[in-house]
Amino acid sequence: DIQMTQSPSSLSTSVGDRVTITCRASQSISSHLNWYQQKPGKAPKLLISAASSLQSGVPSRFSGSGSGTGFTLTISSLQPEDFATYYCQQSYNTPLTFGGGTKVEI
Amino acid sequence: QVQLVQSGAEVKKPGASVKVSCKASTNTFTDYHMHWVRQAPGQGLEWMGWISPNSGGTIYAQKFQGRITMTRDTSISTGYMELSGLRSDDTAVYYCASAGMVVWGQGTTVTVSS
Repeated sequence: DIQMTQSPSSLSTSVGDRVTITCRASQSISSHLNWYQQKPGKAPKLLISAASSLQSGVPSRFSGSGSGTGFTLTISSLQPEDFATYYCQQSYNTPLTFGGGTKVEI
Repeated sequence: QVQLVQSGAEVKKPGASVKVSCKASTNTFTDYHMHWVRQAPGQGLEWMGWISPNSGGTIYAQKFQGRITMTRDTSISTGYMELSGLRSDDTAVYYCASAGMVVWGQGTTVTVSS
């Protein structure tokens, strides 16, 4: 199975800050990397697919980059509604696997 | 856009089985794989497997092999996930997801307790 490692596991930040979350795969997954946002008590929401493709309706302050084994999710200017937990997920092969999550909090 | 509506919360005893349903709102049900993902309390996301509503073909995560069965009823645009031999560590919220995991159900809480 492909292991996905996210860092940091949590971060304290403020509105307006630039936030970067990293995700590393245990083997090359090309660009088969997705990012999700999850708020408490809610289902995950797909933000970015194929490493850098922003889903419809997702604000442009979110961006993704990387390929192979290293990926990043960047929030250019954190907004109050962005406080949540973020997960990366590889869709290169089955079993699909998720990173451990990054909790973004004040 | 398709919406997914899951069945209600379940409380089961250890060793029992649970069957969770996931109904799609549109006739695009057969266009996408239906995935099942679970999340234990305070933990991360765990992919369990997927079913092709079109063919009925399935792929399960090795961890659940022998205990999980995914089925579908295309006449009512509904997918099912059945997990048997329940243990306390199967207590989790179970989600279905479709349309390339863009669309998710609201989640079904399964509690396993004696």
